[in-house]
Amino acid sequence: EPEVTQTPSHQVTQMGQEVILRCVPISNHLYFYWYRQILGQKVEFLVSFYNNEISEKSEIFDDQFSVERPDGSNFTLKIRSTKLEDSAMYFCASSERAGGGTGELFFGEGSRLTVL
Amino acid sequence: DAKTTQPNSMESNEEEPVHLPCNHSTISGTDYIHWYRQLPSQGPEYVIHGLTSNVNNRMASLAIAEDRKSSTLILHRATLRDAAVYYCILRDSGTASKLTFGTGTRLQVTL
Repeated sequence: EPEVTQTPSHQVTQMGQEVILRCVPISNHLYFYWYRQILGQKVEFLVSFYNNEISEKSEIFDDQFSVERPDGSNFTLKIRSTKLEDSAMYFCASSERAGGGTGELFFGEGSRLTVL
Repeated sequence: DAKTTQPNSMESNEEEPVHLPCNHSTISGTDYIHWYRQLPSQGPEYVIHGLTSNVNNRMASLAIAEDRKSSTLILHRATLRDAAVYYCILRDSGTASKLTFGTGTRLQVTL
């Protein structure tokens, strides 16, 4: 069964450093997402991406964050100047279509980011 | 986004059916009812979705009340692998792309 893959599975970084989290969505999917989950808290939406541009973003997704689809297969989340509160599990997801009636999201296993 | 209300936790015995309720009294006519689950240390996983009619798939069944203000996810025979947090989410039929997760129901399955 096709799946969304994420790397790294765990990254430890120093506060203030830049981090890039990578995702390979399912190959025929057109919509891409990043979510995060701080330990013990809800899964929170960060951003959605379609047709090489951001289609929606949350308040969390400020100038510190950026997303990119550099080569047609990878989908990356960059966090500039990481803060302690960025420590969380980051989930990438993809879907073939959007909208409530059709667009089942497939999630990756997550990348755990620990900021020291 | 319209809000959903779920019990914080439920318990079930293995091989018994489980009925996970969800209230969504402010649901709009264009909202689909989605269920996802999150197994320990994993990403969320799609379970099922529906609009008005009851739905069945290989994982579960979704029973939707006639007024659509509540729904129930039914696991026909719970196994230990079904222990997870189950999220009931309303998602607009339009171009809205995100899922808004609540706190869900933590299902414990015991032998």
